[in-house]
Amino acid sequence: QVQLVESGGGVVQPGRSLRLSCAASGFTFNNYAMHWVRQAPGKGLEWVAVISYDGSNKFYSDSVKGRFTLSRDNSKNTLYLQMNSLRPEDTAVYYCAQDGGLRYFDWSFDHWGQGTLVTVSS
Amino acid sequence: SSELTQDPAVSVALGQTVRITCQGDSLGNYYAGWYQQKPGQAPMLVIYGRNIRPSGIPDRFSGSRSGSTASLTIAGAQAEDEADYYCGSRDSSKNQVIFGGGTKLTVL
Repeated sequence: QVQLVESGGGVVQPGRSLRLSCAASGFTFNNYAMHWVRQAPGKGLEWVAVISYDGSNKFYSDSVKGRFTLSRDNSKNTLYLQMNSLRPEDTAVYYCAQDGGLRYFDWSFDHWGQGTLVTVSS
Repeated sequence: SSELTQDPAVSVALGQTVRITCQGDSLGNYYAGWYQQKPGQAPMLVIYGRNIRPSGIPDRFSGSRSGSTASLTIAGAQAEDEADYYCGSRDSSKNQVIFGGGTKLTVL
């Protein structure tokens, strides 16, 4: 079955960087766009970014544009989120999620990982 | 940018039917996805598209849309349905996704 396993979270000071990874299995990774969605403690869901199945298109939320960068390695079935210039308001559980469309953007989230916690604090 | 609005909390008696709504301009152009999240767990897709249930989702869950309002209906709510429910859709003017603020469903 589909499995998404995030890693790389932790405690980081404001202004520093962190890279998250999401290891995928159980489906043909290079056929699906992938998203990151985050959830601040006690708050709702916030979409962060999406990358197309082949990595050629990337879209970001206004709150992370210019600071976060998405990439993927289809040979390793892995998704990455490089987070720079981190702010306290970036503190959240970060989930990776599989898009519902086969080689197109469906903008829905068929499967989710269990998430990794990022805490930005001095 | 677009917004999706949900009631913060809804309650339903065990075995009764409940409707959770989501309102926003983007829903006039795009279908909502509905996500169930239980405490300490990741969200899970329960309805997407016109009214499609992923494999394993009970048929008591259904979705509908009227104008700019999407609805998730649970017919015969069970205790295990108690959770937070989020709607999400593509933003009507950007290549982004927007979520509603979530509805906390209590099954009495």
